[in-house]
Amino acid sequence: DAKTTQPTSMDCAEGRAANLPCNHSTISGNEYVYWYRQIHSQGPQYIIHGLKNNETNEMASLIITEDRKSSTLILPHATLRDTAVYYCIVSSNDYKLSFGAGTTVTVRA
Amino acid sequence: DVKVTQSSRYLVKRTGEKVFLECVQDMDHENMFWYRQDPGLGLRLIYFSYDVKMKEKGDIPEGYSVSREKKERFSLILESASTNQTSMYLCASSPGFLVPQYFGPGTRLLVL
Repeated sequence: DAKTTQPTSMDCAEGRAANLPCNHSTISGNEYVYWYRQIHSQGPQYIIHGLKNNETNEMASLIITEDRKSSTLILPHATLRDTAVYYCIVSSNDYKLSFGAGTTVTVRA
Repeated sequence: DVKVTQSSRYLVKRTGEKVFLECVQDMDHENMFWYRQDPGLGLRLIYFSYDVKMKEKGDIPEGYSVSREKKERFSLILESASTNQTSMYLCASSPGFLVPQYFGPGTRLLVL
């Protein structure tokens, strides 16, 4: 599976949009981009996934560039409860989700 | 909502004990997974199962076994617990492949 690169940490203000970038320059045609998050001492939580098109659900939006080499997860109105580690994962196999170090997002009041 | 439950949030065991970690999902999912999570190492797949009585080794199966007698239940067994198995253990399920996995809350195991 392709490797991903994410910033180690980022802060954002409560109520503002949080834009989380992810680089996956070696992604291949059959690999999906998944986003999960893990709130302290809990299991990871699925957020969203996509292949080529932008996706939106009740939690977030996923923007994938046309060349698919990078993507951005957007939390439209961050709350304190969105403070978590966010993982960007690229995979063509559901059972081979490789969780790297992720981005530690801190939402500040 | 998908619900994945794990039998204990915290567990303390002694070296050499046999340890059972239970996971139950209520969404009739085909696939179930066991991971462990350690600081600096991310999540590592121990075993997964794609059907009742079927199992496949993940990346770090040594020292572990699993059992899936019913679709909703997937057990992880530490035959003889060792201190290097102290970790956070996470169970997940999914309805198929190339779809999201849903995780339980985790069991923090301490082996003394």
